[in-house]
Amino acid sequence: DIQMTQSPSSLSASVGDRVTITCRASQNIYSHLNWYQQKPGKAPKLLIYAASVLESGVPSRFSGSGSGTDFTLTISSLQPEDFATYYCQSSYSSGTFGQGTKVDIK
Amino acid sequence: EVQLLESGGGLVQPGGSLRLSCAASGFTFSSFAMGWVRQAPGKGLEWVSGISGSGDSTYYADSAKGRFAISRDKSKSTLYLEMKSLRAEDTAIYYCAKDSHYGISNPRFDYWGQGTLVSVSS
Repeated sequence: DIQMTQSPSSLSASVGDRVTITCRASQNIYSHLNWYQQKPGKAPKLLIYAASVLESGVPSRFSGSGSGTDFTLTISSLQPEDFATYYCQSSYSSGTFGQGTKVDIK
Repeated sequence: EVQLLESGGGLVQPGGSLRLSCAASGFTFSSFAMGWVRQAPGKGLEWVSGISGSGDSTYYADSAKGRFAISRDKSKSTLYLEMKSLRAEDTAIYYCAKDSHYGISNPRFDYWGQGTLVSVSS
C-alpha cells in the first residue's frame, strides 16, 4: 500500500505568513494528489486536486505543486480562517491520507 | 445544492452490527462514485470503502474487508454501509463523501456529509 507522510505534523504561524506543508508518497503517484482542509467539528473540504488544480471557490492564496513522490501545499498569506488541519490524499490506487498538519496561531 | 445526510450511527457493543445510510440530493446520484471516510477521535482520515456510480466496483480498506459492505440504491439516491463484527477500533465519525468521478480508481471527494458517530463499547 502507498504511504503518505506529511511534515510538519503541526506548525504555528501568524496572519500574513507564508506557510508550506509537505507531503511525501512512498511510491510514484504521478500527479494524483489531493489536499483537504478540516476545521474543528467540521467535515473536510477539498482544496486542491491533481496536485495543483484549485477547486472551484477556493481562494487563490492556496496553491499546490509537485509530482512523483514529493508535493507541497502553500498558503501565500495566512488568513484567520485558514487555521485548520490540512490533509494530503493519494488519489492513485488506495486513496491513502497523510496524517495531517495542524496550523495554529502563533 | 449538493447535500449528503448521514444517519444510523450510535452506540453498539463489540461484535455487534450497524447500518449507516447517506441520503444524497442535488446531483445525479448514479453518475458519481461514493465513499465512506472515517475519523477516529482526535485522529486522521481513513478511506474505508468506495463504490462506483453503477455499483459494480467496490473498494474496501484492509480494516474493513470481510466485515463491511457498501451498497447504493439508485431509486432512493442513498448510500449504505453495513458494518458487522464491530470492534472498539471502529469507533469514529463516519463521513459520506461524493467523488468527482464515476469510478473508484482515483478517489477525489468534492462534497462531504456532516458525519455520523459510531461508538463501539461495552
